[in-house]
Amino acid sequence: GESVGLHLPTLSVQEGDNSIINCAYSNSASDYFIWYKQESGKGPQFIIDIRSNMDKRQGQRVTVLLNKTVKHLSLQIAATQPGDSAVYFCAEDFWAGNMLTFGGGTRLMVKP
Amino acid sequence: GAGVSQSPSNKVTEKGKDVELRCDPISGHTALYWYRQSLGQGLEFLIYFQGNSAPDKSGLPSDRFSAERTGGSVSTLTIQRTQQEDSAVYLCASSLRRGGFAGELFFGEGSRLTVL
Repeated sequence: GESVGLHLPTLSVQEGDNSIINCAYSNSASDYFIWYKQESGKGPQFIIDIRSNMDKRQGQRVTVLLNKTVKHLSLQIAATQPGDSAVYFCAEDFWAGNMLTFGGGTRLMVKP
Repeated sequence: GAGVSQSPSNKVTEKGKDVELRCDPISGHTALYWYRQSLGQGLEFLIYFQGNSAPDKSGLPSDRFSAERTGGSVSTLTIQRTQQEDSAVYLCASSLRRGGFAGELFFGEGSRLTVL
């Protein structure tokens, strides 16, 4: 079936650097995308979302970019901090869909 | 509390036993979801409730799995005759589900199930 995302790769960055986490999706019907952050032993937590009529959305220190042409999402984290260390999941949804479909996640490790 | 509450947080059981996992969603959230997360993996959709009805049970892996929701609130996920491959973290989420999107899902901290 159609799927989202990568199979838990790891991204290691230095504290203070910018991080970019990528995600590929394959369901062309998807028109709503969300990034979640999951810390060890906790449930996923919403970070930022974007609708398909946008190609960029900014939050506090985070930016999500959507490229519908190549079905690609990215999450940019500015000035990465140790507290950003977690697994990040992208998820997709579509109008009248029943649930979010999650990708495999990317582990972000921040080195002090 | 204000968040999604799940119990038990940890459950160790013997193969063949039945287990019940409970989810108490955020008050007023009409939609409730169960996902399963195996170690180091992504989230696998199990079932979705809108109110008390389950329009989508497509993710339930076998007929040993069942779920119900009563009063538009608390949900119970039951696994009968547990197998070792059922070992995972079972995550519950709820949302307001405005319009046609699932919307922002609020997750509980999960119930970690270990089947020996």
